[in-house]
Amino acid sequence: AQSVAQPEDQVNVAEGNPLTVKCTYSVSGNPYLFWYVQYPNRGLQFLLKYITGDNLVKGSYGFEAEFNKSQTSFHLKKPSALVSDSALYFCAVSAGNTNAGKSTFGDGTTLTVKP
Amino acid sequence: EAGVAQSPRYKIIEKRQSVAFWCNPISGHATLYWYQQILGQGPKLLIQFQNNGVVDDSQLPKDRFSAERLKGVDSTLKIQPAKLEDSAVYLCASSPGTRATGELFFGEGSRLTVL
Repeated sequence: AQSVAQPEDQVNVAEGNPLTVKCTYSVSGNPYLFWYVQYPNRGLQFLLKYITGDNLVKGSYGFEAEFNKSQTSFHLKKPSALVSDSALYFCAVSAGNTNAGKSTFGDGTTLTVKP
Repeated sequence: EAGVAQSPRYKIIEKRQSVAFWCNPISGHATLYWYQQILGQGPKLLIQFQNNGVVDDSQLPKDRFSAERLKGVDSTLKIQPAKLEDSAVYLCASSPGTRATGELFFGEGSRLTVL
């Protein structure tokens, strides 16, 4: 079985400061890892993914994430937060070698960026 | 490119009534997913279709939930009879195929309230 843990329900940062949203995962085989963002009353929007290759992946809106195989983590980062980054963020994992599209999601982390 | 379309956006019903949700995926996407998102939780997969066949419905409560994708394009999710615990947002997502790189494209969801 595959699973995702997002240990923080809420992350608060000041605008201009770096942000990190944490994610750890468990899956059999090679992981495909994803971050999605959800704004109020909207569906999820894809931000970035890790499939293979460089452990640091870059995505939309200046976000990046670092894959760490030994720690089974895939933390989302941004060097300088914007107020408009405030939203709900979901980490997801799938078993890439069997069913890349069958993603299991964490319960989300609410990011609040204060001016 | 048109996104994933879902309707209705909102639905309020009494318990033991029935309800149906409709989804039209992105044109050409072979794989379609229905996820249930309960308030405060991450999306949980109910059923996955590849064209008009079911790939995974292991988490679908089959005594009350049913879904079909008869012509391999749009899909309908039905709940009959509804229970209070079915109150959630029902998200439809699509992807090019199970062997693609795995990111999902979500609709805006159908919010169900069961009274």
